Amino acid sequence: GQNIDQPTEMTATEGAIVQINCTYQTSGFNGLFWYQQHAGEAPTFLSYNVLDGLEEKGRFSSFLSRSKGYSYLLLKELQMKDSASYLCAASDSNYQLIWGAGTKLIIKP
Amino acid sequence: GAVVSQHPSWVICKSGTSVKIECRSLDFQATTMFWYRQFPKQSLMLMATSNEGSKATYEQGVEKDKFLINHASLTLSTLTVTSAHPEDSSFYICSAKSPRGGTEAFFGQGTRLTVV
Repeated sequence: GQNIDQPTEMTATEGAIVQINCTYQTSGFNGLFWYQQHAGEAPTFLSYNVLDGLEEKGRFSSFLSRSKGYSYLLLKELQMKDSASYLCAASDSNYQLIWGAGTKLIIKP
Repeated sequence: GAVVSQHPSWVICKSGTSVKIECRSLDFQATTMFWYRQFPKQSLMLMATSNEGSKATYEQGVEKDKFLINHASLTLSTLTVTSAHPEDSSFYICSAKSPRGGTEAFFGQGTRLTVV
């Protein structure tokens, strides 16, 4: 079956770095997405990886290892506004998104 | 980026009534739109794929007669929750693929439905 696993909740300190992991199992693979979702709002796109390696975009970076079925989202210089849920989603052979349950990130001063 | 507008943002309705949610692509044509439902503290669950000019494709377990989807134009898809019940209360979100052949999805603002 198809499955996405990511931690339910993480806590970090303002100004620090946090890494949110995601493992996936899909029928075929056409890329891995990370979305940010604030409570009561729709998800917003953060990153997309289809090749192995690290993609850096400002304070956010995303890594993919296709052979391991593994990705992580790295957030640097954490700000209070980064408190949100982070959703990992894998695109399968039909380009359908398989969503993880999301990781709630709590930022403390 | 592409803009997807969803309306209304929230709605409260009585049990047994029907509610229509609209999803519009404002600056691009979307031949395919997706409808998701999200319960509190849970992930997005794909309900159906809406294709312009043809019948929607529903996911297993989603009642097509209860959740009516119409994609009558390249910029509008609607989801009608018929004979709503309190258990239908949820956050409904639509999305459309990037018009430039990219793989990311652009989401509407979501609709918070409460059935009383």
